[in-house]
Amino acid sequence: GQQLNQSPQSMFIQEGEDVSMNCTSSSIFNTWLWYKQDPGEGPVLLIALYKAGELTSNGRLTAQFGITRKDSFLNISASIPSDVGIYFCAGQIRIKAAGNKLTFGGGTRVLVKP
Amino acid sequence: DAGVTQSPTHLIKTRGQHVTLRCSPISGHKSVSWYQQVLGQGPQFIFQYYEKEERGRGNFPDRFSARQFPNYSSELNVNALLLGDSALYLCASSLAGDGYTFGSGTRLTVV
Repeated sequence: GQQLNQSPQSMFIQEGEDVSMNCTSSSIFNTWLWYKQDPGEGPVLLIALYKAGELTSNGRLTAQFGITRKDSFLNISASIPSDVGIYFCAGQIRIKAAGNKLTFGGGTRVLVKP
Repeated sequence: DAGVTQSPTHLIKTRGQHVTLRCSPISGHKSVSWYQQVLGQGPQFIFQYYEKEERGRGNFPDRFSARQFPNYSSELNVNALLLGDSALYLCASSLAGDGYTFGSGTRLTVV
């Protein structure tokens, strides 16, 4: 089953708002990844984090790798309608010559406020 | 450049049947991984292959098997299908087991 707890499970956004979501784990990972998945598509990589404490931006997206290596957060600033979708965090233990599987959270569903 | 290509895009099978799903990685990528995504959940790791060797296996029954061919494409096989196998099956490719790019998936429905 899932090892990563992602919150919130869903959220409503209004255009222009900043939104935040996070991911916690009982295990240590040495890589944290954030993906976005649109209906009928596979996940698309948004940001990759490789060092504890690392803060990385990609346009309006900012993500941080927690110091304990057991958590990460993603912020979206000044949201726009196309930010709607499902956001997944994923942890990875990158061990050369061994499996480098991704462990995914349950996702945060971002919806537009009616 | 073509991304990760999966076929078929949709499939309906009956309980007890067998299914083969196919994946072509990005040109030059040597690692292919398979994930199962049940509706409303995050993807779950099934297999990873690198240079045609199995490098990782998730917590799935032996009904699930896979292989990687010399051209680095891959097949996922599922025998004796159960209703619970209905899911989106995702293939991801990478150069060496890092920096995964996902395909759009195969939607399998078991009836």
